[in-house]
Amino acid sequence: DAGITQSPRHKVTETGTPVTLRCHQTENHRYMYWYRQDPGHGLRLIHYSYGVKDTDKGEVSDGYSVSRSKTEDFLLTLESATSSQTSVYFCAISELAGTDTQYFGPGTRLTVL
Amino acid sequence: GENVEQHPSTLSVQEGDSAVIKCTYSDSASNYFPWYKQELGKRPQLIIDIRSNVGEKKDQRIAVTLNKTAKHFSLHITETQPEDSAVYFCAASPKGAGGTSYGKLTFGQGTILTVHP
Repeated sequence: DAGITQSPRHKVTETGTPVTLRCHQTENHRYMYWYRQDPGHGLRLIHYSYGVKDTDKGEVSDGYSVSRSKTEDFLLTLESATSSQTSVYFCAISELAGTDTQYFGPGTRLTVL
Repeated sequence: GENVEQHPSTLSVQEGDSAVIKCTYSDSASNYFPWYKQELGKRPQLIIDIRSNVGEKKDQRIAVTLNKTAKHFSLHITETQPEDSAVYFCAASPKGAGGTSYGKLTFGQGTILTVHP
């Protein structure tokens, strides 16, 4: 597996609380992505980054924000968690864009009560 | 934006049989089509990919075909084994404005493949 870690691996939180998930890579890859995985929906892109401080929205970005202050770290924040954000969150990295392999992290299982 | 449809949602085969999973995409500018395998509780892992300038690619028991005209691509697994049992996802990477996509992937809904011994 590529050098990608996610923290925490599991989290249970309450509706309305802010939550931050961390993705850390040791591969020095330029591109980083956050996906959520829900039954029947496959993986859906939340936000992505194409460099330090360069981020943009994916298809399901409402209620989420991201930050990337260092090449190795990409943070995903749920500003005020809702039950609809209960999901498994995967981070992915890629060295090149467009036709390059994306390597996934181990995932974070988030439950919002 | 890109839309990827994947069929079937579940597929059950006997060990040794072949399995075929099909995906269609909507954006004719898409140029990269990876397939991922995800075992229960694990991360998705790339098993094979194909670029739009190639019609077919094979890696041992796994092959992918691409029909750009019809905008569909398929995964073929021959001589299936119980360890092939997993969820398989197709994806497409569309080109964005200016010809770059930043590597964004749009995934299909997944196919649960079960190989019975």
